[in-house]
Amino acid sequence: DTAVSQTPKYLVTQMGNDKSIKCEQNLGHDTMYWYKQDSKKFLKIMFSYNNKELIINETVPNRFSPKSPDKAHLNLHINSLELGDSAVYFCASSLSLYGYTFGSGTRLTVV
Amino acid sequence: GESVGLHLPTLSVQEGDNSIINCAYSNSASDYFIWYKQESGKGPQFIIDIRSNMDKRQGQRVTVLLNKTVKHLSLQIAATQPGDSAVYFCAENFGNEKLTFGTGTRLTIIP
Repeated sequence: DTAVSQTPKYLVTQMGNDKSIKCEQNLGHDTMYWYKQDSKKFLKIMFSYNNKELIINETVPNRFSPKSPDKAHLNLHINSLELGDSAVYFCASSLSLYGYTFGSGTRLTVV
Repeated sequence: GESVGLHLPTLSVQEGDNSIINCAYSNSASDYFIWYKQESGKGPQFIIDIRSNMDKRQGQRVTVLLNKTVKHLSLQIAATQPGDSAVYFCAENFGNEKLTFGTGTRLTIIP
C-alpha cells in the first residue's frame, strides 16, 4: 500500500503541450510538496500546500500550477512545456515537517 | 545565503568498511537536519534526522553527527553492504516546512 503515489511514472511529450502529474498520499499528512530534481540530481522545492492552502511558492514559472482538491491530493499542471522542464518531479508529504515522505517520482521528458 | 553543500560528489568504499558522507550548511538558523538515501529510479528515502539541540544520533548502522560550530553534518554508515550503494542527500530546515537539499554524494560499495 503505497504511502505517496504519483502518476504517471514516465511522461514523454512534445514542446508546447500541457500535461498534469497527480499525487496522492494516504498517510494522513497535512502538508504536501512538489520538488524538481534536475539531471545533476539536485532537488529543489517548487510548491507546498498545507490543508489545501498554498504556503510555499518558490520562483517557478507561472506555467506551473499546483492544485490541491483535498489534503490527500496535490496535482501539478504544466502549460506550454519547454525542453528545460525535462526533469524528475517528486511529490512529498509530511505532518508539519516530520515524517517527510517522497513518492517515487515522475520522469518528464520534453522533446 | 541558503545552501547545503557536500564536500565529495562520489565515494567508493569496500564492502564491510565504514563510510562517512559529509555535508556543510551555511544557515546558522537551521534547526533540523535529515539524511536521505536515493536509489536509482526511486524517490529519496528517509534515513535519519537530528535536531540542532543534539550533536549525535544513532540508528541501525547509521550515525549522524552535527557540529554547529563549523556548520557541518556527517552520516556514518557502519559495515557497508552492497544495498547501501545510492546517492545520499543531506537536507536542512530553518523554521518553515521547506527542506533545502544538498547536491548529493554517490556512494558505491565495492564487493
